[in-house]
Amino acid sequence: EIVLTQSPGTLSLSPGERATLSCRASQSVSSSYLAWYQQKPGQAPRLLFYGASNRATGIPDRFSASGSGTDFPLTISRLEPEDFAVYYCQYYGNSRTFGQGTKVEI
Amino acid sequence: QVQLVQSGAEVKKPGASVKVSCKASGYTFTSYGISWVRQAPGQGLEWMGWISPYSGNTMSAQKVQDRVTMTTDTATSTAYMELRSLKSDDTAIYFCARTYSGYEDFWGQGTLVTVSS
Repeated sequence: EIVLTQSPGTLSLSPGERATLSCRASQSVSSSYLAWYQQKPGQAPRLLFYGASNRATGIPDRFSASGSGTDFPLTISRLEPEDFAVYYCQYYGNSRTFGQGTKVEI
Repeated sequence: QVQLVQSGAEVKKPGASVKVSCKASGYTFTSYGISWVRQAPGQGLEWMGWISPYSGNTMSAQKVQDRVTMTTDTATSTAYMELRSLKSDDTAIYFCARTYSGYEDFWGQGTLVTVSS
């Protein structure tokens, strides 16, 4: 079973700063099956990326994602106030699992 | 526009069952899967299972596979998730989500299920 480990658990930054979030898989996975979601308090998750690097509809280009094998980073180039949230990676290949999340806080 | 509207909050006793509904609109219901994901208070996301409204095929997480039943009613574009033999650690917000090629692109608003004696 694939285990996704996200780091750091919490990222404390200020608006305008760059955020880099890590998602590492316990074994090599196809990048075709890696997604990222954003969740704000009291809301459902929102799809950011699928296939590791494909931006979902309406996602601003300050968000970027990439990766292959076991390492899949998510970058927010300049944090806006609305970007402070929890971010989850997900593997959706022959099994389905989420990482434990990274909270981006002010 | 795509919408998934879930049923309201539930309070159940340990050992009981709960059935959560998820009514879809704004797209062809049988063209996409429906996944169920839960989130315990203050915790992360846990994938529970998936159903194809087209074929009825299901896939569920090992942790709940003996207790969960997922169904759909294509006439009303509604998906259902029933969880049996509830335990206190089943207390969570349960989300349905439209699933396209394995990832979830639209989500319901969530249904809080509280299990308490």
